Amino acid sequence: GAVVSQHPSRVICKSGTSVKIECRSLDFQATTMFWYRQFPKQSLMLMATSNEGSKATYEQGVEKDKFLINHASLTLSTLTVTSAHPEDSSFYICSAMYVSGGRSYNEQFFGPGTRLTVL
Amino acid sequence: DAKTTQPPSMDCAEGRAANLPCNHSTISGNEYVYWYRQIHSQGPQYIIHGLKNNETNEMASLIITEDRKSSTLILPHATLRDTAVYYCIVRGTDDMRFGAGTRLTVKP
Repeated sequence: GAVVSQHPSRVICKSGTSVKIECRSLDFQATTMFWYRQFPKQSLMLMATSNEGSKATYEQGVEKDKFLINHASLTLSTLTVTSAHPEDSSFYICSAMYVSGGRSYNEQFFGPGTRLTVL
Repeated sequence: DAKTTQPPSMDCAEGRAANLPCNHSTISGNEYVYWYRQIHSQGPQYIIHGLKNNETNEMASLIITEDRKSSTLILPHATLRDTAVYYCIVRGTDDMRFGAGTRLTVKP
């Protein structure tokens, strides 16, 4: 149980185009999903927190108009990289938070990641 | 804003125990210590977490010092497939913030 999927796993696009990445919780409902970005040989950087039915909360320095996040249902969040440029090439990873009663902190499960290459 | 310090890299012989240290001297009383690992080009994998007591599961053991300012992740019998970057995370809210981690290389 507690599987998170991402689609696509890899995408190559031309500069100036937009790319949508989907994050799905397959067997549980996730009220909150998180989006991370990871450059080569670096750690994961939290980009934004996405709550179902409300606007995402972006980390400082992350452009909300460039990285559009939609969390339309309890099992799906999407990240759209608009007008992508080569510097946006990165590994994008989502995580979904499983809400369980009686625990201090809710567990997070990570997706397998999406590698974006912008030419 | 990671609140942890880990050595950048470590080596371990296959079949031996791998002991990965983590310093978190500013940890607050209600913050948990989480460990994840990331194998190249994959999403992070949960390993274990704890508050103040030592914890053990099928993957690893977590030893937290009495003052909670540091912890050690123990992989009892490391295999080549345990080669990965290991992240120690102090979690005080729902979001997870990753530090640089320790790159563990298990050698035959």
